[in-house]
Amino acid sequence: QSALTQPPSASGSPGQSVTISCTGTSSDVGRYNYVAWYQQHPGKVPKLMIYEVSKRPSGVPDRFSGSKSGNTASLTVSGLQAEDEADYYCSSYTGNNNLVFGGGTKLTVL
Amino acid sequence: QVQLVQSGAEVKKPGAAVKVSCKASGYDFSSYYMHWVRQAPGQGLEWMGIINPSSGGTSYAEKMQGRLTMARDTSTSTVYMELSSLRSEDTAVYYCARDSPGWYWYYQHWGQGTLVTVSS
Repeated sequence: QSALTQPPSASGSPGQSVTISCTGTSSDVGRYNYVAWYQQHPGKVPKLMIYEVSKRPSGVPDRFSGSKSGNTASLTVSGLQAEDEADYYCSSYTGNNNLVFGGGTKLTVL
Repeated sequence: QVQLVQSGAEVKKPGAAVKVSCKASGYDFSSYYMHWVRQAPGQGLEWMGIINPSSGGTSYAEKMQGRLTMARDTSTSTVYMELSSLRSEDTAVYYCARDSPGWYWYYQHWGQGTLVTVSS
């Protein structure tokens, strides 16, 4: 199972919006609504930001939103803040009790 | 509150095996699937496999087949991950992560991570 495709980097200025894409296939992202997004600061444990494509866990700011179109899922961070600078990973269920992660995107707040 | 506490760092020689534990507390251990995810230094997350703590049933990532074994001990609410025939590329932080209510393949709860270093 190949990793989902994410851009290696993304950036934006404080207050701006940035969208990170996560491209899979019709066998994973395109087929299942089990897409999640994680934020990871250096040396820290990943933190769940979005689950089931667009749902936000309690405590996650509503500046974070998720969506999906076809085989591509997206994470949008609105009103960028300095603390949003981190690595972001998407994941998708692939069927047959398997899961795959994206390669990760390093988000820089300029 | 949900807690996942992993065993400490390990240093192993190539060809050896490592066993990492993950002790769960704060919830009904048998009701939530547990996953293992690893992260090599400077690299991304890699899903390794899943275990059903109730039945002991497992599913492993294809590239891990044959080297990976997951097990659980319901009496101590602990899951184990054993990786054999270690090579340098297995050097990574290994995480246990609890699946969601309803088994929707996302992780709100993670262990603190266990660094496994493979070096001669």
